[in-house]
Amino acid sequence: ILNVEQSPQSLHVQEGDSTNFTCSFPSSNFYALHWYRWETAKSPEALFVMTLNGDEKKKGRISATLNTKEGYSYLYIKGSQPEDSATYLCASSRAGGTSYGKLTFGQGTILTVHP
Amino acid sequence: ETGVTQTPRHLVMGMTNKKSLKCEQHLGHNAMYWYKQSAKKPLELMFVYSLEERVENNSVPSRFSPECPNSSHLFLHLHTLQPEDSALYLCASSSRQGAYYEQYFGPGTRLTVT
Repeated sequence: ILNVEQSPQSLHVQEGDSTNFTCSFPSSNFYALHWYRWETAKSPEALFVMTLNGDEKKKGRISATLNTKEGYSYLYIKGSQPEDSATYLCASSRAGGTSYGKLTFGQGTILTVHP
Repeated sequence: ETGVTQTPRHLVMGMTNKKSLKCEQHLGHNAMYWYKQSAKKPLELMFVYSLEERVENNSVPSRFSPECPNSSHLFLHLHTLQPEDSALYLCASSSRQGAYYEQYFGPGTRLTVT
């Protein structure tokens, strides 16, 4: 994999459903994987940063896992609520010794939670 | 609020106009970024300034001209744009957080070129 790819592109679920989506990224020279949540007309908001293989992070009903050897991360939302409706972006950074963070983004997964 | 503000939020300009987008961060970060998001495409990195020096320019046409007068402010000067430049332009800032750099984003400027 050369780019960061997210699937599915969009997802519609009912309130109370649990859901998950995938981010695939280049595993060579991997450094960190970022998840962002982006609501319409607002700023993308950082959810998680993960660096180690097997990392798991959790914030409320949202959790994420990381597999750096095979190059994928899963984001899980338990008991989806309408306020979870947003675009979920993942981005990877690679080791390179820069003085700033260079992120490569996926195209996002658009989640719509219906009441 | 992420601590990164952008003005204006919406801009409509003709192909012969000159306009500027402004970004300001109140987080004490030392790197600032411009991204472009076109419909159904991933965020594309345009420019990066680190310690007020331009360190990345991703083959962006010269009709886009960035300026970083200090570590808190970033501008994107626009002139003779094309309709395909219509997009959402996002600014971000970052500093080192342990082993990685976490980027904080502004809400973006929605640009329409007519």
